[in-house]
Amino acid sequence: GAVVSQHPSRVICKSGTSVKIECRSLDFQATTMFWYRQFPKQSLMLMATSNEGSKATYEQGVEKDKFLINHASLTLSTLTVTSAHPEDSSFYICSATAGPNTGELFFGEGSRLTVL
Amino acid sequence: QKEVEQNSGPLSVPEGAIASLNCTYSDRGSQSFFWYRQYSGKSPELIMFIYSNGDKEDGRFTAQLNKASQYVSLLIRDSQPSDSATYLCARDRGTYKYIFGTGTRLKVLA
Repeated sequence: GAVVSQHPSRVICKSGTSVKIECRSLDFQATTMFWYRQFPKQSLMLMATSNEGSKATYEQGVEKDKFLINHASLTLSTLTVTSAHPEDSSFYICSATAGPNTGELFFGEGSRLTVL
Repeated sequence: QKEVEQNSGPLSVPEGAIASLNCTYSDRGSQSFFWYRQYSGKSPELIMFIYSNGDKEDGRFTAQLNKASQYVSLLIRDSQPSDSATYLCARDRGTYKYIFGTGTRLKVLA
C-alpha cells in the first residue's frame, strides 16, 4: 500500500518554543492531507484538512494561529505547533489521500510531542 | 451523544475464540465505515471498510453494518495474541474526514 512518512517520530521541547512536524507521501501525490491529534486513551480527533496550494481548513475549536499548516507540494504537508505548552503534548498523526474515490486514507507513523 | 461510540473494554477472549467488537453512530446519513487496528504508540492501520448493509468478509475478519439500527461490528475469528490491540471504528463525515470512536481494547489470552 501507499506510504506516508512523518518526521520526527518523537520530539521533546521546552514550553514556549515552536515545533515543526513533516508529513510526506512517498509514492503518491497527496491532494489532501489531514492532521489528527490523539491524547492518551482517547480517540483521534481531526484538527485540520490540508489541501495543496490552498489554506488549510480547521475544525471547530482548533486554533489556526497556534497550529500552522502548510501544504506546499503534492507530497509534503507540515504542521507547526507555535509557542508550545505542556497541554499541547500529544500524538500527532497525519493522513493522506490521492484524491476522491481512490478508496483509502493512508496514515503516517505519528509524531509524539512532549512539551516540558 | 458521541458521534461514534465504542465500549472502551478491555474485551478479553481466549486464543482461538471469536472476538466481537461493536460500534454505534448517531448520524443516520453516514455512508462509509471503517475499522482500524492501533497498537500502543503506533498509528492506525486499516482492517476493513464497509459501505453496504450486511456482512463483508476478509480472511478472519467480518464487518457487519446495520444502517437501520446504526451500528457497525467487527468479528475476528480464530483470535490470536497478535490481534491484541485497540480497534477503532470510524465513519467518513465526507471527503475522507473521518470521525473516530474512542476504540475498544482487545486482549487475546494465550
